[in-house]
Amino acid sequence: QKEVEQDPGPLSVPEGAIVSLNCTYSNSAFQYFMWYRQYSRKGPELLMYTYSSGNKEDGRFTAQVDKSSKYISLFIRDSQHSDSATYLCAIPSSGTYKYIFGTGTRLKVLA
Amino acid sequence: SAVISQKPSRDICQRGTSLTIQCQVDSQVTMMFWYRQQPGQSLTLIATANQGSEATYESGFVIDKFPISRPNLTFSTLTVSNMSPEDSSIYLCSGGQGANNEQFFGPGTRLTVL
Repeated sequence: QKEVEQDPGPLSVPEGAIVSLNCTYSNSAFQYFMWYRQYSRKGPELLMYTYSSGNKEDGRFTAQVDKSSKYISLFIRDSQHSDSATYLCAIPSSGTYKYIFGTGTRLKVLA
Repeated sequence: SAVISQKPSRDICQRGTSLTIQCQVDSQVTMMFWYRQQPGQSLTLIATANQGSEATYESGFVIDKFPISRPNLTFSTLTVSNMSPEDSSIYLCSGGQGANNEQFFGPGTRLTVL
């Protein structure tokens, strides 16, 4: 079993839709959870990070962690064409500074 | 957040040659990393660049093939040596800052080996 799993998509939604992007992980010791956005031909950009369980909101974006299910989510409200990108979850490996990345979900928001 | 630049942004190289990629951060960072990303794939960590000492390589990556330098807290280089077409990829550097070592990425170097 991979340490972090993410559906690669692509996920296509109309503008204005609510988008749910998800990752599962295997190690219950993981504490921090990151979401990166990567536009085509660009480097990943840190979007949000959360610590432990609960929700964190930033504008149209909400990151959610469910440690009991080892499940993390990124919700995008009122999705826009400019949100079209690949979204990667990343989890710092316990005891190191190294990140474990999901495969990334390619999102297409149709205008 | 740190701003990271990379040079070159892209290159086309001949088999058997070497290419050195530069990574510059606009502020001091604790950690610097080098990744490889195949088109449509996730990021694979090559190594952690350590300031003033040898880099720490991940399984499958060796110093002879990917020598790394980090002379100070804001600069690092990755060399891809004796290149083959299998080395064609995007190479990304990142710098870690903050209490949780949040990583910020450069724009990447797109390498094509003929």
